Amino acid sequence: KAGVTQTPRYLIKTRGQQVTLSCSPISGHRSVSWYQQTPGQGLQFLFEYFSETQRNKGNFPGRFSGRQFSNSRSEMNVSTLELGDSALYLCASSFVAGGRTDTQYFGPGTRLTVL
Amino acid sequence: TQLLEQSPQFLSIQEGENLTVYCNSSSVFSSLQWYRQEPGEGPVLLVTVVTGGEVKKLKRLTFQFGDARKDSSLHITAAQPGDTGLYLCAGYNQAGTALIFGKGTTLSVSS
Repeated sequence: KAGVTQTPRYLIKTRGQQVTLSCSPISGHRSVSWYQQTPGQGLQFLFEYFSETQRNKGNFPGRFSGRQFSNSRSEMNVSTLELGDSALYLCASSFVAGGRTDTQYFGPGTRLTVL
Repeated sequence: TQLLEQSPQFLSIQEGENLTVYCNSSSVFSSLQWYRQEPGEGPVLLVTVVTGGEVKKLKRLTFQFGDARKDSSLHITAAQPGDTGLYLCAGYNQAGTALIFGKGTTLSVSS
């Protein structure tokens, strides 16, 4: 079974631009969560999508948004990029049973650098 | 706010040494998870501890969940260079909707 894939793996943008990152979950997984990882703050939860609906949201500004498609693939968008948005963005997919999220499987991440 | 604090932040040891990594919180967690992350990769789940006082072993790695379910430890016996990586502890928030991560322990094992 193929793992979680994320594209692109590396991205360089300039301040003020916007960016879209993509995540394809493991087949059969309908929950996709997004995390931001930085040296200073570690791994922080951005949001979770399940069945095309945002089910949970972390404490990030509205510049961070996402969506999920009917095939469970997910995208996250960051608008008006700031230098502090430079980070590794990880997505994780999981199976959901009884409304609760099972083990999360992480993709390799997208390394975003904002200049 | 539920927080997980890991210590030490960095650890550099020689092959064959033993080490312990700690994960502490003032909050009770229903379970705690340990991940290892290697450069260029996402975190990979090593173990989940669920019951207070539980001890789980994975080859040379021993994981313990505190009796009060507020802390956990990871002990590695006879560390090897292949153990090098970032070790993260994590637990679900009270609503069970999001994973909260510690900031991690970067382990470097040299031969």
